[in-house]
Amino acid sequence: QSALTQPASVSGSPGQSITISCTGTSSDVGGYNYVSWYQRHPGKAPNLIIYDVSKRPSGVSIRFSGSKSGDTASLTISWLQAEDEADYYCSSYTTSSSFGVFGGGTKLTVL
Amino acid sequence: EVQVVQSGVEVKKPGESVKISCKGSGYTFTSYWIGWVRQMPGKGLEWMGIIYPGDSDTRYSPSFQGQVTISADKSISTAYLQWSSLKASDTAIYHCARWGDGYKAFDYWGQGTLVTVSS
Repeated sequence: QSALTQPASVSGSPGQSITISCTGTSSDVGGYNYVSWYQRHPGKAPNLIIYDVSKRPSGVSIRFSGSKSGDTASLTISWLQAEDEADYYCSSYTTSSSFGVFGGGTKLTVL
Repeated sequence: EVQVVQSGVEVKKPGESVKISCKGSGYTFTSYWIGWVRQMPGKGLEWMGIIYPGDSDTRYSPSFQGQVTISADKSISTAYLQWSSLKASDTAIYHCARWGDGYKAFDYWGQGTLVTVSS
């Protein structure tokens, strides 16, 4: 079972929008609408920001949005703010025995 | 209030065993899956496995099958991750997290347990 594929890093300036991709297979991302995204600041536990591809938990900013096309899911952060600088991980339910799989993570730098 | 609280730092030698814990409160512990996630130094999150405390149904990632044991004691609302013989490469932070009801994602995370294995 391979990890989902994410870019290692992305960057953007305050006020801009960025998109992070997450590519899997038909056994995970492409097969289910169960993609989630997590934000992790250094030294902190991950925080759920998107679930079921595009839904936001209560309290998460509307600047975070998710989508999916085929085997690739995407996280878009609009109106970048300095506090968005963090690592972002996608995850998907999978048909494999493990139940789920993470992406390798993407480091977002706000310039 | 839902809380997931993990046990503290462990410092062990290669070959030793260890069992770390994850206690859920503020919800019906037996009705939600609890997963374990590894984060090695400077690396990303890795899915280790997940358990349903209600009936102890457990699923392991192929990379961790046979390397660790996941268990739960529903009488004290606690899940466990254990090793019988640690290796230096097991040094990492281990997070437990609750798998949400009705949606497939980890909605509440523990603070993480640092396990350091060094001679």
